[in-house]
Amino acid sequence: AQSVSQHNHHVILSEAASLELGCNYSYGGTVNLFWYVQYPGQHLQLLLKYFSGDPLVKGIKGFEAEFIKSKFSFNLRKPSVQWSDTAEYFCAVNARWAGSYQLTFGKGTKLSVIP
Amino acid sequence: DGGITQSPKYLFRKEGQNVTLSCEQNLNHDAMYWYRQDPGQGLRLIYYSQIVNDFQKGDIAEGYSVSREKKESFPLTVTSAQKNPTAFYLCASSTQGGTEAFFGQGTRLTVV
Repeated sequence: AQSVSQHNHHVILSEAASLELGCNYSYGGTVNLFWYVQYPGQHLQLLLKYFSGDPLVKGIKGFEAEFIKSKFSFNLRKPSVQWSDTAEYFCAVNARWAGSYQLTFGKGTKLSVIP
Repeated sequence: DGGITQSPKYLFRKEGQNVTLSCEQNLNHDAMYWYRQDPGQGLRLIYYSQIVNDFQKGDIAEGYSVSREKKESFPLTVTSAQKNPTAFYLCASSTQGGTEAFFGQGTRLTVV
């Protein structure tokens, strides 16, 4: 089965700092990749997704992610964070396993942005 | 309004009792998922179903059971065999083929 590893448990940044959250997955076949965000007290929302094509994908709220197949990575970036970006971020992989698609999440990275 | 409805939002049960969490979707999605979210553990897959009358165990299926009798419904039963049932449970759905999943608001289960 596939697994997803997120490098940082908790990241603390000041407003306007740049953000990069690491995500690596282990699966040798074709994957669909996602970043989800969970704002305090809210349900999970999709930030961005990669299925195929341009490995640099842009999502909502100025986020982007780059798929590097050789490194099995899908890191999330934002040039300048805002206080409102304070949330928990989850990387996820959807891949075919034992005849069906299984959606697997990383453990999440909590981002705290200090005004 | 299309979406996924989980009920109830908060649930309290005594130890040793089975409890069923509801998940209904009107998105016409074939696939549905149940996850458990604990602090620092991320989302761990309990069960998933790609089609009606079929489902597979996820990574932490022990102590849980599901059914998928209707396309729009995927209830999760937390049985007394689950050693540590207190958690936040999330239901999701997607089209087939590995597309993005849409999530419900979750059910927070507390077993006392």
